[in-house]
Amino acid sequence: DTGVSQNPRHKITKRGQNVTFRCDPISEHNRLYWYRQTLGQGPEFLTYFQNEAQLEKSRLLSDRFSAERPKGSFSTLEIQRTEQGDSAMYLCASTRGAENEKLFFGSGTQLSVL
Amino acid sequence: RKEVEQDPGPFNVPEGATVAFNCTYSNSASQSFFWYRQDCRKEPKLLMSVYSSGNEDGRFTAQLNRASQYISLLIRDSKLSDSATYLCVVINAGGTSYGKLTFGQGTILTVHP
Repeated sequence: DTGVSQNPRHKITKRGQNVTFRCDPISEHNRLYWYRQTLGQGPEFLTYFQNEAQLEKSRLLSDRFSAERPKGSFSTLEIQRTEQGDSAMYLCASTRGAENEKLFFGSGTQLSVL
Repeated sequence: RKEVEQDPGPFNVPEGATVAFNCTYSNSASQSFFWYRQDCRKEPKLLMSVYSSGNEDGRFTAQLNRASQYISLLIRDSKLSDSATYLCVVINAGGTSYGKLTFGQGTILTVHP
C-alpha cells in the first residue's frame, strides 16, 4: 500500500501525559500537512512542511504542540501535557507540492484524553 | 472573519433533487480551489477541483467567482450515496502561507428516499 500511513489509529491517554503520532507520506510527496478535526467541524490547519522545512504553524496551537519532519520523509506530531480539549482526530496529508495537486489523506489518529 | 466559510447546513433533500452549496474565502490571493467529500468517520477525499471557467463532472458542477470570492458546488439528481459532508478547500498563493490549504467547516448533506 503506497498511501499515507498514520500510527497509531487510536490513542487513549490520561490528562497530562505526552503523546506522539507518526505520519508516513507517499514517498515522492514533498509537502506534508497536519490537521485536527473534531465532530461537526472541518479539518483545522495545524502545520505543514515542504521537505524538512516547517513552513507555518497555526497561531491557534499552543507551545505544547510540536511537529518535525527530520529527513523530509515521515513526520511526527507531539502533544505535551495533554488536555481534554486536545481530544480530536489528527489527520496527516501529503502532496507533491504543486498548487493544484490532489491532497492525499491518511486515515487519521483518534486521540481521546481522559 | 474565518478564512473559509461554508453554508451552515445541514441539507436534507429527497432523491432526485438538485442542491447547491456555497463557500466564501477571505484571501484574495487564493489561487486554487477544491471540493472534498468526507464520509462519516473517514478521511476527506477529493471530489473535484474548481477551475476559473467552471467545470462539470457528471452530476456535479463547480464554479468560481473571483470577484465575489466564492465557490459553489451544484449536485443534480441527488442519490442516496451522495449523503456526506462536503468541504471546500482554498490554497494560498502568496506570502508566507504559500501552499497552505485551508478547509471550510463542511456542509452536511443527507439525501433521503
